[in-house]
Amino acid sequence: QQQVKQSPQSLIVQKGGISIINCAYENTAFDYFPWYQQFPGKGPALLIAIRPDVSEKKEGRFTISFNKSAKQFSLHIMDSQPGDSATYFCAAVNAGNMLTFGGGTRLMVKP
Amino acid sequence: DTGVSQDPRHKITKRGQNVTFRCDPISEHNRLYWYRQTLGQGPEFLTYFQNEAQLEKSRLLSDRFSAERPKGSFSTLEIQRTEQGDSAMYLCASSLKGYEQYFGPGTRLTVT
Repeated sequence: QQQVKQSPQSLIVQKGGISIINCAYENTAFDYFPWYQQFPGKGPALLIAIRPDVSEKKEGRFTISFNKSAKQFSLHIMDSQPGDSATYFCAAVNAGNMLTFGGGTRLMVKP
Repeated sequence: DTGVSQDPRHKITKRGQNVTFRCDPISEHNRLYWYRQTLGQGPEFLTYFQNEAQLEKSRLLSDRFSAERPKGSFSTLEIQRTEQGDSAMYLCASSLKGYEQYFGPGTRLTVT
């Protein structure tokens, strides 16, 4: 059972545009929602994370929006750059245990 | 470099052989996780340790898989009698409290 659903699977954005990736979860026991960035051949790198008692968190060009009642959260990348081209994974954690990942979004930022 | 390290980075083995991977976590982290990632998919949880105790195992971890973390430091993941379906990237992550998990570069296993 896939507990975290991610969309879209792939995304093409022009340089300077906004990239938006969405995730939905089922398990209301999840209490921490990180986003990871992964380049080919590398391990996932923690990008930004949010807890369900916060509706939005911003770090530089990256913003997480969180809607607890809808059980949805999203990543916004402002002023997208070619260097942002990577695969992005949303994830969720329950009580500090294992990460449950979404299926991933392959982002391509065109110069 | 004080991040998570994994060894080897690549392993090619023949079907039926045994392989062992090593993970060295960030030194002060007491939690260590193993995940498996196949091409185009998100990582899937295999098992995790808090100090030397193995606290949870996924049903993905068949009897051919075993993991250890002696003395709560580095960890090893062994796969016995490898099958072609075991070909994947094996990722290790460490954490202080289970929330912010930091991944190593992974070990890419190819079973021929």
